[in-house]
Amino acid sequence: NAGVMQNPRHLVRRRGQEARLRCSPMKGHSHVYWYRQLPEEGLKFMVYLQKENIIDESGMPKERFSAEFPKEGPSILRIQQVVRGDSAAYFCASSPYREGTDTQYFGPGTRLTVL
Amino acid sequence: GEDVEQSLFLSVREGDSSVINCTYTDSSSTYLYWYKQEPGAGLQLLTYIFSNMDMKQDQRLTVLLNKKDKHLSLRIADTQTGDSAIYFCAEGDPNTGFQKLVFGTGTRLLVSP
Repeated sequence: NAGVMQNPRHLVRRRGQEARLRCSPMKGHSHVYWYRQLPEEGLKFMVYLQKENIIDESGMPKERFSAEFPKEGPSILRIQQVVRGDSAAYFCASSPYREGTDTQYFGPGTRLTVL
Repeated sequence: GEDVEQSLFLSVREGDSSVINCTYTDSSSTYLYWYKQEPGAGLQLLTYIFSNMDMKQDQRLTVLLNKKDKHLSLRIADTQTGDSAIYFCAEGDPNTGFQKLVFGTGTRLLVSP
């Protein structure tokens, strides 16, 4: 059973370009979470999705950031018009969703560098 | 809101025990997790405990929970150089059915031979 897959692993963009980060959850997992890790900091929650539905986006910046998890295909985190402050590691996690503890399994992350 | 705090750095010798500490603020029932992050890698789930438990042991790992002080610790017995990594404590947010994790800033463990 493959783990959570993220691609690309490294992404370089110039200011003003768009960044698209992809996440394929573990087989059988219906819920996806995105977290951002700034250098030397812990992970901060961004958004929580299930197929075709955003459950909680309280951690997403109001502008330029969007996320989706379509019926088919991976979850996408999209950052429009990137700025240097967007440089960070973006981690995706997935879970099978069960009542009570719903252990999240993390992917290897995408490291975004904005020049 | 929830807040999770950890000490930033711990250095031990190979073979010693390591104890990594964490404090959390939410007073309601919650799940508490320990994750390990090696350089350039993602997070690996090590173990978790529900806040109505005092202790959980899994091979070399022991988690102790002091509910009164909201203090969580991770003890690694017989620490090896391969245990060198950043260890994150995380709390499940009960307001979201524990779906949203709140992470500490991480403790960097350095194990010297």
